[in-house]
Amino acid sequence: DTEVTQTPKHLVMGMTNKKSLKCEQHMGHRAMYWYKQKAKKPPELMFVYSYEKLSINESVPSRFSPECPNSSLLNLHLHALQPEDSALYLCASSQDSSGRAFFAEQFFGPGTRLTVL
Amino acid sequence: AQSVTQLDSQVPVFEEAPVELRCNYSSSVSVYLFWYVQYPNQGLQLLLKYLSGSTLVKGINGFEAEFNKSQTSFHLRKPSVHISDTAEYFCAVTRGSGNTGKLIFGQGTTLQVKP
Repeated sequence: DTEVTQTPKHLVMGMTNKKSLKCEQHMGHRAMYWYKQKAKKPPELMFVYSYEKLSINESVPSRFSPECPNSSLLNLHLHALQPEDSALYLCASSQDSSGRAFFAEQFFGPGTRLTVL
Repeated sequence: AQSVTQLDSQVPVFEEAPVELRCNYSSSVSVYLFWYVQYPNQGLQLLLKYLSGSTLVKGINGFEAEFNKSQTSFHLRKPSVHISDTAEYFCAVTRGSGNTGKLIFGQGTTLQVKP
């Protein structure tokens, strides 16, 4: 299995809702990433987990809460979002054969298209 | 700090013509370089990567890129494009040592292949 899966594919939520995005990989990777991508823009890094520990938080607002319950799963919990948070949310993972978590090549999932009303 | 500049925001080209998408980077340390492609409403797919060794890198779908350290460039080329190559292309860089997992992307180039 050489893919990163993300669910749901699409999500519409109100500003008072609580929802979660899910990302899964079964490649034995030990680094996982959340990115936010607005239309016609490059992905922006939000969070990085290494060996299930948060290693980078790019000053993301607290209404986004990441969680890494195990080495294969990454969640992004959403609460009290704003319409400007509408975007494509991409998950990625990486690891090389020597076991270093931050091998350069990142494998991306198909994304969750989020719309906040 | 590292940065990536993709010199063309849009590149229109006719089918079966050659194409070059330009990418320049700035970094004071050694780097790894990548080209990713994103088709509409999809995630990013790795086209090719330069980590070390030969400066000419061949990737999927007939694409290749050349790492030029003196010009700090990593331009992407394809000798004959197809309609199906229409997509957004992103050049990206990360540290070659002391990697923290941060991948820096360029602003993207839209390749529009016309029949």
